[in-house]
Amino acid sequence: GENVEQHPSTLSVQEGDSAVIKCTYSDSASNYFPWYKQELGKRPQLIIDIRSNVGEKKDQRIAVTLNKTAKHFSLHITETQPEDSAVYFCAASQLIGNTGKLIFGQGTTLQVKP
Amino acid sequence: EPEVTQTPSHQVTQMGQEVILRCVPISNHLYFYWYRQILGQKVEFLVSFYNNEISEKSEIFDDQFSVERPDGSNFTLKIRSTKLEDSAMYFCAGAQNPNQPQHFGDGTRLSIL
Repeated sequence: GENVEQHPSTLSVQEGDSAVIKCTYSDSASNYFPWYKQELGKRPQLIIDIRSNVGEKKDQRIAVTLNKTAKHFSLHITETQPEDSAVYFCAASQLIGNTGKLIFGQGTTLQVKP
Repeated sequence: EPEVTQTPSHQVTQMGQEVILRCVPISNHLYFYWYRQILGQKVEFLVSFYNNEISEKSEIFDDQFSVERPDGSNFTLKIRSTKLEDSAMYFCAGAQNPNQPQHFGDGTRLSIL
């Protein structure tokens, strides 16, 4: 089955700097890659997602890149703010012809220092 | 914006007892999921549910677990005889179809004593 590895486990940056979180996946059939932000004690919230037919997607300060050949995808946050501090999870899924279950990475705790 | 609602927010139960966790999905969602997150660990898939049937389940989802959607609104997860290792946060999620993003509820924290 699918396995998703996520690095780093913790990341500390200064406010205004960029943060990059990387994930690799094992199943080449995976074609949907969402990123979730989870604040302490709260639900995972979708912040951006990418499908395998595109290589990059951007939404304001957040971008995701996908390299299908290497089977890895990354989250980029620019101009980080203290409110970006949270745990970020990547996930992989197969959309078409599947139940859509999400396989999550281990999570990255991002700390943005003011 | 509509939300997935889960009750209770926190459930404390003695080992060996049955628990039922409840979820009210967003009304136009047709695909439903349960995930769990042991404290400090990643979110793990338990089961997916569509058209009143389990469509996929993980190794975690053994005979002690069951799901149902008895009245077309509530989606429940039952653990028949709880174990200490069942202590975790349980999240319900839903989607219009597998091609759409999943929306998560706030979770139920299950503590087994």
